[in-house]
Parts: sequence; structure tokens; C-alpha cells
Amino acid sequence: GIQVEQSPPDLILQEGANSTLRCNFSDSVNNLQWFHQNPWGQLINLFYIPSGTKQNGRLSATTVATERYSLLYISSSQTTDSGVYFCAVGLDMRFGAGTRLTVKP
Amino acid sequence: SQTIHQWPATLVQPVGSPLSLECTVEGTSNPNLYWYRQAAGRGLQLLFYSVGIGQISSEVPQNLSASRPQDRQFILSSKKLLLSDSGFYLCAWSVGGLMNEQYFGPGTRLTVT
Repeated sequence: GIQVEQSPPDLILQEGANSTLRCNFSDSVNNLQWFHQNPWGQLINLFYIPSGTKQNGRLSATTVATERYSLLYISSSQTTDSGVYFCAVGLDMRFGAGTRLTVKP
Repeated sequence: SQTIHQWPATLVQPVGSPLSLECTVEGTSNPNLYWYRQAAGRGLQLLFYSVGIGQISSEVPQNLSASRPQDRQFILSSKKLLLSDSGFYLCAWSVGGLMNEQYFGPGTRLTVT
């Protein structure tokens, strides 16, 4: 099956800083989603982005399908951005291990 | 708008007991439905998906089964729980193709003792 690798595994930022999270996948895919899992376990949809670039407020994402990676950008981070960020790809929605983000005030 | 419900929110069950988790979706017709499990500190793993009433596909052989008795109802069951069944169970839905965007419910946290 498809292998999904996310980096970095952990990230600690000061409030206001910017960050880039990466998702690499081992095979061609026709779907890719980014999620934020909050401390209560709820998975919040961020982007559905099999290719191209999308932006939503302080967050944006870019997927380069031909090179098998996607990037999630978080600008001007806030404490409420803390949590685990997952990408998932493929027909069987293969999830990466996630990036745990901690934003300190 | 569409909403997805799961219950119970938390559950503590002894080893060997049966399990039934329920998921319902409102505000959409003929959704694709999915069950996932998340072990502590890890990503999600797809367990089952369904494209219609009575149609169940299993991704991982295990101690669990799924059923879809109604269009917007998805049930996860076990006859005898194992310690390894502990985890966070999430239901999700999508419409159209199976690779379309999925939306997740609030989850059920299961502890098998």
C-alpha cells in the first residue's frame, strides 16, 4: 500500500510564528486531505487538495502530485492551532503519523 | 447542512463482552460511510466502508464487523472484545466517489479492561 510520511513529527512555536508541515507519499494519488485533530479528538477538515494550491485564512496548502508531496502552511500561529495535523491519501485513506504542533503564548 | 453523530462518546467494556457503536448522518442521501480506528498516539486506520445499504467492505481482518441497516446508519460490532480493540473509533461520510472529501464524526473512545 501507499506509504505516507509526515514531517516534522513535533513542532513547537511561539505565537505569531509561521510554519510549514510536509506530507510525502509513495505513489500517485487522486485525493489528499489535511486534517487538524484538536485536543478532544475531533478531526477538522482543513483542505481537500489532490493538486494545486488553496488558501483559507491563515492556512494554505500546496500539493505537487507529480512529485508526491504536499505542504501545509500556517502563518501567524495562534495557541488554538495546537494539536495534531494529519494528511491522508488514497482510496483507503492512508494516514500519516501526524505532526504534533504546540503553539506557546 | 450535514451532521454526523456517534454514540456513545466513551465506553468501558470488559474483555469478552459484546460491542455496538452507532453512527448516523443527517442532511444527505446515499452517503458513503466509513469506520476508522485510532490507536493512542497514532494515525487513523480504515476498518470498513460502505457505499450503500447492506454493502460492507473490510480493509483489515479483525475481531470487528460492520453493518448498514439503513441509508444513513452505520454500526460497528464485536461479539467478544479483546484488549487490543481499545482505541478511538471514528465514523466518516462522503458523497459521490470514494475518493471524495470525507467528514468525520466526534468519535467514541473505547477502553477494554
